[in-house]
Amino acid sequence: EAGVVQSPRYKIIEKKQPVAFWCNPISGHNTLYWYLQNLGQGPELLIRYENEEAVDDSQLPKDRFSAERLKGVDSTLKIQPAELGDSAVYLCASSPNSYNEQFFGPGTRLTVL
Amino acid sequence: ELKVEQNPLFLSMQEGKNYTIYCNYSTTSDRLYWYRQDPGKSLESLFVLLSNGAVKQEGRLMASLDTKARLSTLHITAAVHDLSATYFCAVDIWDDKIIFGKGTRLHILP
Repeated sequence: EAGVVQSPRYKIIEKKQPVAFWCNPISGHNTLYWYLQNLGQGPELLIRYENEEAVDDSQLPKDRFSAERLKGVDSTLKIQPAELGDSAVYLCASSPNSYNEQFFGPGTRLTVL
Repeated sequence: ELKVEQNPLFLSMQEGKNYTIYCNYSTTSDRLYWYRQDPGKSLESLFVLLSNGAVKQEGRLMASLDTKARLSTLHITAAVHDLSATYFCAVDIWDDKIIFGKGTRLHILP
């Protein structure tokens, strides 16, 4: 069974530029999560989807971050414009539903110069 | 304030020794997860603890949950170098919000 797929794995951009990350969850998993992980820290939830509905986006900085999961399968997280402090690893995870353990993708390491 | 605190944050130990990592949390929960993360890699699920008194074991790792004390432990028995990694606990609080601890970086010396 294929795991959670994320792309790109690495991204280097200059500040004020836009950037987008893509995630394809495990087939059949209804719940999808986007996390931000800073060096030496635990993951911090940005947004959680149940199918195509964003059920928890309270930690998403909505002035510059946006996300979508249009057909309830894959998802895109966008930052526009990026700031220096956005440099981090962005992790996508999925689970059959919100009561199960999460399966994490490899992450996208973003560097903003 | 919602807190998930792990102790210690860094641990260096010799192979063959036993040790315990602690995870305290500040609000009611009856669901707790332990994950492992190797450097530059993503998180791998180790244990899911779903009720008070739950105990799970896999190889040299054993996890337990005391919901009354709001405490989970991850015990390492006769550590081996391959267990070197960062271990995270994550607590499922109200409305299925999951809060991660800062992680315990475990370094096992051969």
